[in-house]
Amino acid sequence: EIVLTQSPDTLSLSPGERATLSCRASQSVTSSYLAWYQQKPGQAPRLLIYGASSRAAGIPDRFTGSGSGTHFTLTISSLEPEDFALYYCQQYGGSPYTFGQGSKLEIE
Amino acid sequence: EVQLVESGGGLAQPGGSLRLSCAASGFSFSAYGMHWVRQAPGKGPEYVSAISSNGDETYYANSVKGRFTIFRDNSKNTLFLQMGSLRTEDMAVYYCARNLVRGHWYFDLWGRGTLVTVSS
Repeated sequence: EIVLTQSPDTLSLSPGERATLSCRASQSVTSSYLAWYQQKPGQAPRLLIYGASSRAAGIPDRFTGSGSGTHFTLTISSLEPEDFALYYCQQYGGSPYTFGQGSKLEIE
Repeated sequence: EVQLVESGGGLAQPGGSLRLSCAASGFSFSAYGMHWVRQAPGKGPEYVSAISSNGDETYYANSVKGRFTIFRDNSKNTLFLQMGSLRTEDMAVYYCARNLVRGHWYFDLWGRGTLVTVSS
């Protein structure tokens, strides 16, 4: 099983700042089959990025995914108030399909 | 409106059963693989089960294999999860989700979830 470890657990930033979230895999993720989701309290996850770097429909271009192999990054170039939420990575390159434990992006 | 709406959650005793439903609308349900993903309070999501667009192929996480059954009724645009031999560790919000691309199990559409509580 591929274990995904996200860091940091919590990131405190202000609107307008740049956020960088990390997702490290315990083994290489096949074909960069990695997705990122945003989740707000009481809501379902929302797909942001798939294939490590492809933005999902309707996702603003301030969200950028990058990486390959065992290290992936989600960057939010300039934080908007609505970006403060939980973020999860998910690998779908190999069964069992796993999620990270999440990174919380909070307002400083 | 394109949406998924889960129902059927509630309180069950350990060893008991529940059937979850997921009603799809606004898209061609029979064209998509469908999935169940659960999330325990304060935890990250956990993959549970999948079913192909025509229902011929299914997949289960080891944690639920032999206890849960996924099936679908394409004539009613509905996905199901029959849960049996429930354990306290099955307690979570259960989401149904759609995978956009065949064979690529990331999820572009999620329901709002239904809460399953397992307690005596």
